[in-house]
Amino acid sequence: AQSVTQLGSHVSVSEGALVLLRCNYSSSVPPYLFWYVQYPNQGLQLLLKYTTGATLVKGINGFEAEFKKSETSFHLTKPSAHMSDAAEYFCAVSLSSNTGKLIFGQGTTLQVKP
Amino acid sequence: DAGVIQSPRHEVTEMGQEVTLRCKPISGHDYLFWYRQTMMRGLELLIYFNNNVPIDDSGMPEDRFSAKMPNASFSTLKIQPSEPRDSAVYFCASKPGQRNNEQFFGPGTRLTVL
Repeated sequence: AQSVTQLGSHVSVSEGALVLLRCNYSSSVPPYLFWYVQYPNQGLQLLLKYTTGATLVKGINGFEAEFKKSETSFHLTKPSAHMSDAAEYFCAVSLSSNTGKLIFGQGTTLQVKP
Repeated sequence: DAGVIQSPRHEVTEMGQEVTLRCKPISGHDYLFWYRQTMMRGLELLIYFNNNVPIDDSGMPEDRFSAKMPNASFSTLKIQPSEPRDSAVYFCASKPGQRNNEQFFGPGTRLTVL
């Protein structure tokens, strides 16, 4: 069965510092992986996704993630944090069948300190 | 495109009352999902539809919850009778049929049951 684990429910970084949000998944088939961001009082918005092809995926707002099959990981990074990056981030994996259903991690709240 | 539309954005009601949440998916999307988000339980999938047919309602917490999709452009989530523990943010999302496509989320309905 597919599952997603996000390590760390809260991450705090200083403005300008590296952002690293961790996501590990389990899947019996090649996974499709997604990162979503949720700003306060808003719905979830897609940051980036991995389906096939290049394992380093670039998304919006300077974020990127690398699919590492050997480590079953899909960590999200950004070289330099901005105050506007403060939000909750969700990693998700698609199910093997063509249902469109996503399995979400529990989310990681990113705090950016001035 | 206007995106996924949800109404109302905020709902305050008293325990025992019926509550109806509404969702208009993005035109052309085959799948529609209803989620609930709380601090305690995070993001939970309640039910999803494919081509207006309910596929998986295993996440619906109780018989008090029901969802319908009478046509491709409209869905409702009804709670009758409502209870204080139903207080949460309810999201609707839709997606096209291909597996590699992401879900598009609406802005959510914040429900408070007094």
